Amino acid sequence: DIQMTQTPSSMPASLGERVTISCRASQGISNYLNWYQQKPDGTIKPLIYYTSNLQSGVPSRFSGSGSGTDYSLTISSLEPEDFAMYYCQQYDSSPWTFGGGTKLELK
Amino acid sequence: QVQLQQSGAELAKPGSSVKISCKASGYTFTSYYISWIKQTTGQGLEYIGYINTGSGGTNYNEKFKGKATLTVDKSSSTAFMQLSSLTPDDSAVYYCARDYYSGDVGYYFDYWGQGVMVTVSS
Repeated sequence: DIQMTQTPSSMPASLGERVTISCRASQGISNYLNWYQQKPDGTIKPLIYYTSNLQSGVPSRFSGSGSGTDYSLTISSLEPEDFAMYYCQQYDSSPWTFGGGTKLELK
Repeated sequence: QVQLQQSGAELAKPGSSVKISCKASGYTFTSYYISWIKQTTGQGLEYIGYINTGSGGTNYNEKFKGKATLTVDKSSSTAFMQLSSLTPDDSAVYYCARDYYSGDVGYYFDYWGQGVMVTVSS
């Protein structure tokens, strides 16, 4: 199975700050990489698919990039509703696997 | 609007089975596969497998073969996952999610259920 390593596991940040979350795959995944947000109540929604494509309805302050084994999610200016858990997920090779998550916390 | 409504929390004894449901609404049920994902504090999110809601065909993560059984009832637009021979390691929150394909390369889970907590304890 492809291992997905997210860093950092937690990140204190301030409103308005620009943050970047990293995700590294144990082998190349050809941009087959998604990002999800999980709120404290457990609600999960997609943010980015195929590395850099914004899901409909997701604010443009979210962006994704990367290639090969290294990918990132950037939030350009943190809003209160962005403090949540974030997960990357690869779909290059079955079984699909997820990163361990990054908790974005209010500093 | 698209919704995946999952059944309620389960408390089960070791060695028993549970069957949780995922009722879809707001779209044509048989047009999208349903996947299942396990979430624990220790292991994070793990992909269990998917079911073709039209044919009933399934594909499982090897890790969950023999543990999870996926079925559907098209008449009620509901997907089910049965977990058998439960152990404390099966205690987790289980999500159903709709598989979505975008173009030739996009594939992701576009709608998720609210999750079902399964607790295995004697």
